[in-house]
Amino acid sequence: DVVMTQTPPSLSVAIGQSVSISCKSSQSLVYSDGKTYLHWLLQSSGRSPKRLIYQVSNLDSGVPDRFSGTGSQKDFTLKISRVEAKDLGVYYCAQTTHFPYTFGAGTKLELK
Amino acid sequence: AVQLVESGGGLVQPKESLKISCAASGFTFSNAAMYWVRQAPGKGLEWVARIRTKPNNYATYYADSVKGRFTISRDDSKSMVYLQMDNLKTEDTAMYYCTAGLGLDYWGQGVMVTVSS
Repeated sequence: DVVMTQTPPSLSVAIGQSVSISCKSSQSLVYSDGKTYLHWLLQSSGRSPKRLIYQVSNLDSGVPDRFSGTGSQKDFTLKISRVEAKDLGVYYCAQTTHFPYTFGAGTKLELK
Repeated sequence: AVQLVESGGGLVQPKESLKISCAASGFTFSNAAMYWVRQAPGKGLEWVARIRTKPNNYATYYADSVKGRFTISRDDSKSMVYLQMDNLKTEDTAMYYCTAGLGLDYWGQGVMVTVSS
């Protein structure tokens, strides 16, 4: 199985700060079609996960451009600029390139 | 708008069975691969099962942790996906989410399954 290593496990941030979350996979996430199926999800407290970014860098509809995703092969980063209170929660990276699909352990973003 | 609504969760004893359901709307269900993902209390996300579409012969895939005990199925005429869970274990206790799309595009609100004696 592909192991997704997400760091840091938690982040304390002040409103307006910028933060980055790293996600590294144990194998390349480039599929045979040339695309990379690495996604970022946010799970706000008591809610179900919601996808924010798909295929490394594509923002889902309604996601503000304060969010950005970069990376390739096995090394990926989610950046949040000017953090707002509604950004708080647990962020997961997920890969759907290889079966079984696997998730990072999560990064909890909380207020400092 | 896309909606996934899970139902059928509850409290069961070890070795018992339970079937949970997911009602989908807002997209062409018959064209979509469907998945179940679970989250044990206070833990992370674990993919459980996948079912493909009719052109792909409704092929199914399972996590090793549930293989042989869980069965995913779908009814395209009703836009429903199901998860039959047999021989349940305490470690199956989790919130079960129905998801749609190759990139985990959409998620339901989840249904809680508790396995305890």
